[in-house]
Amino acid sequence: AQSVTQPDIHITVSEGASLELRCNYSYGATPYLFWYVQSPGQGLQLLLKYFSGDTLVQGIKGFEAEFKRSQSSFNLRKPSVHWSDAAEYFCAVGGNRDDKIIFGKGTRLHILP
Amino acid sequence: GAGVSQSPSNKVTEKGKDVELRCDPISGHTALYWYRQSLGQGLEFLIYFQGNSAPDKSGLPSDRFSAERTGGSVSTLTIQRTQQEDSAVYLCASSLLGTPTGELFFGEGSRLTVL
Repeated sequence: AQSVTQPDIHITVSEGASLELRCNYSYGATPYLFWYVQSPGQGLQLLLKYFSGDTLVQGIKGFEAEFKRSQSSFNLRKPSVHWSDAAEYFCAVGGNRDDKIIFGKGTRLHILP
Repeated sequence: GAGVSQSPSNKVTEKGKDVELRCDPISGHTALYWYRQSLGQGLEFLIYFQGNSAPDKSGLPSDRFSAERTGGSVSTLTIQRTQQEDSAVYLCASSLLGTPTGELFFGEGSRLTVL
């Protein structure tokens, strides 16, 4: 069965600083990987996804993530955060097209002015 | 409707009562998920309906939880004899099976409070 680990429950960064949120997954085959964001009082929104091909994927709002098979990781990055990026971020893994999608426990991002 | 619709948005019940939560997915979406979101637990997978296949019930926490999906569309999650630890936000999501997007479209959730 697949699983996702997000080791950081909370992360605090200053506005304008760079960001990296960690995600490690476990899956027996080629994974499909996702990052979702949940802003305060909002629903979940897809930031980006990886299925195949280029291991560096670009998403919305200036986010990117890199798939590293050797490390079973799919870390999310942003070069310069904005106060509006304060939210909870969830990494998720699925398998073939019809496999269920499992989420991690999330990382809450706090932004210092 | 244009998005995933869930009802009720809020439900307060007494311990021991049964509750039903409803999800109306995006029209044409063949996959439907139920997740539970509680503080510190992230999005806990409950059940996955995948087209006409048997549902994946591996995430249901106990036999007090059940779900059905009628006609490949609307789904109902039922919790019998509710307990205080069932208090959480129950999220429904739908997607198109067999497509490479894999994007889940989430409803706003049903917040359940068990007193």
